[in-house]
Amino acid sequence: DTAVSQTPKYLVTQMGNDKSIKCEQNLGHDTMYWYKQDSKKFLKIMFSYNNKELIINETVPNRFSPKSPDKAHLNLHINSLELGDSAVYFCASSRRGLAGGPGGNIQYFGAGTRLSVL
Amino acid sequence: AQSVSQHNHHVILSEAASLELGCNYSYGGTVNLFWYVQYPGQHLQLLLKYFSGDPLVKGIKGFEAEFIKSKFSFNLRKPSVQWSDTAEYFCAVANAGGTSYGKLTFGQGTILTVHP
Repeated sequence: DTAVSQTPKYLVTQMGNDKSIKCEQNLGHDTMYWYKQDSKKFLKIMFSYNNKELIINETVPNRFSPKSPDKAHLNLHINSLELGDSAVYFCASSRRGLAGGPGGNIQYFGAGTRLSVL
Repeated sequence: AQSVSQHNHHVILSEAASLELGCNYSYGGTVNLFWYVQYPGQHLQLLLKYFSGDPLVKGIKGFEAEFIKSKFSFNLRKPSVQWSDTAEYFCAVANAGGTSYGKLTFGQGTILTVHP
């Protein structure tokens, strides 16, 4: 009954491969996010989708492509993996309420996917 | 662009000691402020949040934080820590409106180690 679940938890792969990370939330939220946590533990947003529509797209290589088949799922596909892609990737979701409202910005996170590119 | 700075990378305390973790942000507009905690091997969990109103907010497990607008700070406090508070703590800021709505900017995290 995990609220935000990511699979896989660990992913070890070779440079140049293509891989996907899946995320699902059962909270009924309409907004989902992908964050990257680098080796220095900085968490940076990559993408955000609201009702399957891309609303935040930070400066991320176009090798990274998010896909949202429905508002409960946001998958991250990475092409031609590079060493620098090694990181922990976190999925999150929230209810998109009014600006400053009590629920709009509270994000619930998954457990993370540790990606190691060799 | 907004940024968040956490003053301490690693804090080591004994049980029952008082805790204060510093967090400063840079952003001129209206913000929502958060502290998240990540226990070893677990996902990020919301500890407390500030949206508006009383600048002293209380969260779970006895934590509280004070928003001081003039100092752009949102420091986390706990009067008496426990061994179970050992975790990494992240301060985060979100623009409360506009086109970057929903985008959380995180600090680099503070590892808290509590010795029994």
